[in-house]
Amino acid sequence: RKEVEQDPGPFNVPEGATVAFNCTYSNSASQSFFWYRQDCRKEPKLLMSVYSSGNEDGRFTAQLNRASQYISLLIRDSKLSDSATYLCVVNMGSYQKVTFGTGTKLQVIP
Amino acid sequence: DVKVTQSSRYLVKRTGEKVFLECVQDMDHENMFWYRQDPGLGLRLIYFSYDVKMKEKGDIPEGYSVSREKKERFSLILESASTNQTSMYLCASSWGANTGELFFGEGSRLTVL
Repeated sequence: RKEVEQDPGPFNVPEGATVAFNCTYSNSASQSFFWYRQDCRKEPKLLMSVYSSGNEDGRFTAQLNRASQYISLLIRDSKLSDSATYLCVVNMGSYQKVTFGTGTKLQVIP
Repeated sequence: DVKVTQSSRYLVKRTGEKVFLECVQDMDHENMFWYRQDPGLGLRLIYFSYDVKMKEKGDIPEGYSVSREKKERFSLILESASTNQTSMYLCASSWGANTGELFFGEGSRLTVL
């Protein structure tokens, strides 16, 4: 089983739709969690951290479920500019234990 | 803004050539990383460094070496390039320990013929 698993998509959604991605992780000792965004042919950039209590940043909501070992990202009112690949990142607590998922591709359609 | 600069965006090399990829960050970060990104495999850590002259192997160090002589600069070296090293190489830097917040360079796309 992969350490971090994501549905590769693509998720094709119309503008204004709500879309959710999940990411599962295998190691229960994982300590911190993040969502990164990567535009086509660009570098990944931090979108948001994921806190145990859940957190929101504008149209984006991230949640962590430690019992089931998954994190989620919810995007409301999708914009064309949200089209990108979203990478789930899990940190075991040391430099070499930052594990990236392979990403979920989102395409927002006019 | 944090700036991580990779010296070459695109390189084409021949099998057996020595390849240098350079990365410079301007935010006095302690930690620097080299990843490669391949379709379906995600980002995989090659090497990282948490201080000048310090280096640690990541998940896939074979065929690579690194150098960190100055805090701001981290170089990745392919001693003898092979076709299976064709990939996107991403340098990153970060503050402190136990962080998942990495700042990436724009990447270097290497093709080995």
